Amino acid sequence: DTAVSQTPKYLVTQMGNDKSIKCEQNLGHDTMYWYKQDSKKFLKIMFSYNNKELIINETVPNRFSPKSPDKAHLNLHINSLELGDSAVYFCASSPKTDLTPQHFGDGTRLSIL
Amino acid sequence: GENVEQHPSTLSVQEGDSAVIKCTYSDSASNYFPWYKQELGKRPQLIIDIRSNVGEKKDQRIAVTLNKTAKHFSLHITETQPEDSAVYFCAATAGGFKTIFGAGTRLFVKA
Repeated sequence: DTAVSQTPKYLVTQMGNDKSIKCEQNLGHDTMYWYKQDSKKFLKIMFSYNNKELIINETVPNRFSPKSPDKAHLNLHINSLELGDSAVYFCASSPKTDLTPQHFGDGTRLSIL
Repeated sequence: GENVEQHPSTLSVQEGDSAVIKCTYSDSASNYFPWYKQELGKRPQLIIDIRSNVGEKKDQRIAVTLNKTAKHFSLHITETQPEDSAVYFCAATAGGFKTIFGAGTRLFVKA
């Protein structure tokens, strides 16, 4: 009964490949997010969706394309993976965009060889 | 652009002592300030939050203070225990659109 679940937990792949990470929340939240956490533990927002609509796109390369088929799901597709994409990617959700805490998934550790 | 500065980056305390982590934000429209704890290999989890209309909030051994004029907010942990060892992140949200996280503080509590 995990509230925010991401798959896969680990992803090891070669440079140049395309990969996807899936995220689902069963909390009934309206807003979902993708964060990137680098090796120095810095958490940086990438995208935010509210009711399936993109509201934040933080100057992320076009190789990253989020998709929200419904408000419970926010998937992240990455094309032409680069070494610098290696990080832990966290999905999160919140009841709304304003004044509410975010609930994070367990993260997906992406390693580019 | 918006920025949240967090200090110190590393903090080592003896069990039972207090720990204080300080953050400064740049966007005066910020109105919500959550604190997250991230244990090694785990996800960030909310430990306490404060809204801009409140100056202080306490939950057992954890307290947060907010000075809107100075754009400062701080996390105070009293009677620290080894299980408090983790990375702590402050964050600030302005206008509900974006949450900016501080760079994190790695807290070590020595038994």
